[in-house]
Amino acid sequence: GESVGLHLPTLSVQEGDNSIINCAYSNSASDYFIWYKQESGKGPQFIIDIRSNMDKRQGQRVTVLLNKTVKHLSLQIAATQPGDSAVYFCAEGQNTPLVFGKGTRLSVIA
Amino acid sequence: NAGVTQTPKFQVLKTGQSMTLQCAQDMNHNSMYWYRQDPGMGLRLIYYSASEGTTDKGEVPNGYNVSRLNKREFSLRLESAAPSQTSVYFCASGDGTGGAEQYFGPGTRLTVT
Repeated sequence: GESVGLHLPTLSVQEGDNSIINCAYSNSASDYFIWYKQESGKGPQFIIDIRSNMDKRQGQRVTVLLNKTVKHLSLQIAATQPGDSAVYFCAEGQNTPLVFGKGTRLSVIA
Repeated sequence: NAGVTQTPKFQVLKTGQSMTLQCAQDMNHNSMYWYRQDPGMGLRLIYYSASEGTTDKGEVPNGYNVSRLNKREFSLRLESAAPSQTSVYFCASGDGTGGAEQYFGPGTRLTVT
C-alpha cells in the first residue's frame, strides 16, 4: 500500500453521512485556496478552489468555506461514499507558489 | 491529452548515484513545479519554474538541480543521491504561480539505499 499519509490526522465517517475536513492556513495575505484529494498511489487531484473575495463555494457534493477572520478553511463532502476515502490537502497561495498543508485522511465506513 | 507525465514511475539508486526525473505537460502551462512527499509531511516544494527560462528554489532545494528544457518539459536531477532523498516525487504544472490550480503527475517513487 501507499506509505504516504502515515501519522496524519484521520477522520472516520459512516457512508452516507456528511464529512467536514478542516484546515488552518498561515498567511493572511493569501488570496487563493484550493483542496486536493489524493488516492493511494496517485497524484493529488483538484476538488474545488475559492478566492479570498468569497466565503463559500459549492461544487458537486462538495462545499468549501473560507473564514478569513480566523484563517480557517473547511471542505464539506455531502453523502460521503466509499470512493471518497483518500487523503485531503488544503493549499494557500497568492503570487508565490502554493503552500500545502500536511493533509487529513478520510476513512469511509461502509 | 495526457496532462502531466512523469518518468520513471519507480527507481532504486545506491548512495552517490545520479539520476534525472523527467516531467512533461501538454496543457501549454507557463508554470511547472517539483515536489517531494514524505509520510506525514505533505507536499514540499523543491524547485519551480514560473515561466520558460526561469527557475527558482522552493522550500527544500538542497541536493537537487532543475532544468526547464522548454515550455513543456521540466527535469529534476539528483547529482549524488542520499538516503534522505528517498521519497515520492511529483511534478505539477499550472497557469499562474500561486493563484491557480496545479495539475499533478502520477509521481515517481524513489528509493536510495
